[in-house]
Amino acid sequence: EAGVTQFPSHSVIEKGQTVTLRCDPISGHDNLYWYRRVMGKEIKFLLHFVKESKQDESGMPNNRFLAERTGGTYSTLKVQPAELEDSGVYFCASSLDYIETQYFGPGTRLLVL
Amino acid sequence: EDQVTQSPEALRLQEGESSSLNCSYTVSGLRGLFWYRQDPGKGPEFLFTLYSAGEEKEKERLKATLTKKESFLHITAPKPEDSATYLCAVQARGSGTYKYIFGTGTRLKVLA
Repeated sequence: EAGVTQFPSHSVIEKGQTVTLRCDPISGHDNLYWYRRVMGKEIKFLLHFVKESKQDESGMPNNRFLAERTGGTYSTLKVQPAELEDSGVYFCASSLDYIETQYFGPGTRLLVL
Repeated sequence: EDQVTQSPEALRLQEGESSSLNCSYTVSGLRGLFWYRQDPGKGPEFLFTLYSAGEEKEKERLKATLTKKESFLHITAPKPEDSATYLCAVQARGSGTYKYIFGTGTRLKVLA
């Protein structure tokens, strides 16, 4: 069974540009989560989808971040416009049910110059 | 506020030298505590879930235990391939959300 996949693995962009990250969860997992780890800090929650609905987006830093999950399958996280402090590793995770273990993807390493 | 603290930040062991990693937590109601292993450049890899005080889980050289305030990850006779960052996360009950709250991790280096 395929695990959680993320694309791209790395992205280097300039301040002010737009970047879109993609996450494909494990097949059949209705719950999808986005997390972020900035340098030297712990992994922090961004938001949680149940199917195509946003269950909790309390961790989204500001309105420059937009997450979507159309059709309840893959999800995208768009940063527009990107700022220097958005640099970090963005992880996606999925679970069968909200109380089940979350399985993580390899992450997208974003560097904003 | 829910919080997770891991110690030590870094640990160097000789091959075969057993030790323990600590994860202390403050949450309003623990739904579950999760241990993950993370290798450089990769995502967290699931190891264990613990749900209640007194629970223990084992896998090869690793054993995780849970009390009401903390969890330990015991590593018995470690090998160089056990070198990784070990992450602890908690999921709080009744918070209205099901996010994980992570600690900053323990970087383990096992020397041959």
